[in-house]
Amino acid sequence: DAGVIQSPRHEVTEMGQEVTLRCKPISGHDYLFWYRQTMMRGLELLIYFNNNVPIDDSGMPEDRFSAKMPNASFSTLKIQPSEPRDSAVYFCASSLTAGGNTEAFFGQGTRLTVV
Amino acid sequence: KQEVTQIPAALSVPEGENLVLNCSFTDSAIYNLQWFRQDPGKGLTSLLLIQSSQREQTSGRLNASLDKSSGRSTLYIAASQPGDSATYLCAVSGANFGNEKLTFGTGTRLTIIP
Repeated sequence: DAGVIQSPRHEVTEMGQEVTLRCKPISGHDYLFWYRQTMMRGLELLIYFNNNVPIDDSGMPEDRFSAKMPNASFSTLKIQPSEPRDSAVYFCASSLTAGGNTEAFFGQGTRLTVV
Repeated sequence: KQEVTQIPAALSVPEGENLVLNCSFTDSAIYNLQWFRQDPGKGLTSLLLIQSSQREQTSGRLNASLDKSSGRSTLYIAASQPGDSATYLCAVSGANFGNEKLTFGTGTRLTIIP
């Protein structure tokens, strides 16, 4: 498997624009996570899905953020409208629950810059 | 709320030395603990996963230990090499807050001096 695939790798957008980040999890994994990484706050969990269903979105900072998982092989994180403080690296991760061995695998991330 | 702390924030050691990275967590009711490596501008690479019932895991020159009752884990790196330079993060998933959710520490930035 090619691992968790995220696109785009880099995104520069103007304040107020809509941004859509994409993720393809590892085939067969039943959990998908969206994280955000900043220098100030480190890695924060935004939302996660189990079998395409959102389980916990308590980490989503504002209503401007939304995430979907229409099928087992694709998820999106959308920010509308974007603001400069949204600038961060956004990571997608997936895992397969098998007893206690829920090892998480991360994508390469999308570096978002909002100007 | 689970909090994960890694000390020190940065560490520089000469090549060839053995070293220990520390991770502590406030809620001992964890499901497992995972150590990751992150290279600059890259994603996270899983190094070792320790289930809550285990005391340690080994992979090559890496050994991770877990003392759940005291809320501590260590990552031991033997015979360090310049290629080990990276940021190391530990993360725990909690039995009381979703087995799958990971709470991350802030990381230790390791530099191996040739």
